[in-house]
Amino acid sequence: AQRVTQPEKLLSVFKGAPVELKCNYSYSGSPELFWYVQYSRQRLQLLLRHISRESIKGFTADLNKGETSFHLKKPFAQEEDSAMYYCAIGRLGFQKLVFGTGTRLLVSP
Amino acid sequence: GAGVSQSPSNKVTEKGKDVELRCDPISGHTALYWYRQSLGQGLEFLIYFQGNSAPDKSGLPSDRFSAERTGGSVSTLTIQRTQQEDSAVYLCASSLGGAGDTQYFGPGTRLTVL
Repeated sequence: AQRVTQPEKLLSVFKGAPVELKCNYSYSGSPELFWYVQYSRQRLQLLLRHISRESIKGFTADLNKGETSFHLKKPFAQEEDSAMYYCAIGRLGFQKLVFGTGTRLLVSP
Repeated sequence: GAGVSQSPSNKVTEKGKDVELRCDPISGHTALYWYRQSLGQGLEFLIYFQGNSAPDKSGLPSDRFSAERTGGSVSTLTIQRTQQEDSAVYLCASSLGGAGDTQYFGPGTRLTVL
C-alpha cells in the first residue's frame, strides 16, 4: 500500500536559515511525488512535483529512490514561506493521491 | 477564471442526520476528486470521477457515503446518518484531464457532527 510519512508536525526556523521538510514514502512501482502548500486562509495548492524537476519559490525537492524520500528544501527561508506543507504520492498515470499528515513551517523574523 | 467552489463552507448537523456537500469544479475540467481531512490526519481520498467513466469509489469509508456527478460538472457528496467521526473538512479538487494533471482544490466544507 502507498504510504507517506512526514515525521515533523511543526518546523520552526528563523528567516534566512535553511529549511528541510522531510517526506518518506513506501510504494511499489513507479511513484510520482508532489508537495502541496496551504498558506493561511488560502486553499491547498500544488507547489512542485518531482517529474518537473523545477524550483518554485526557491524550493526544490529531489526524489531519492534508495532512501524512498522526497524532502523539500530551501536554502534561505522567508517569512512568507510560513504555511502548511503536505507531501503526496501517486502512481505514474495517477488518479488519486495519498497525502502525508503535513508539516507546519513557521519562519520567524 | 473562477476556481473550484464548494458549498456550504461550514455545516453543523446532529448525529443521525443526512448532509449534502456540493462541489463546482473549474469549467472544462473532466476529473473531479473528493478528499477528507480529519483533525491531525492527512488528506484521505474518497472518490474520483473522470468523464463518463465509472467513478473510483475505493476510498469511501462506508456505505453511508455516496457521491454523484451530474452532467459531468457539479458533484454532490452525501453522507447519510452522520456520525461524530464524520466530522472533518471535505475537500474537492478538479483537474483538466485525469492521469498526471494538476489537481486544483476548493476551499473545503467544514462538517461538524454534534
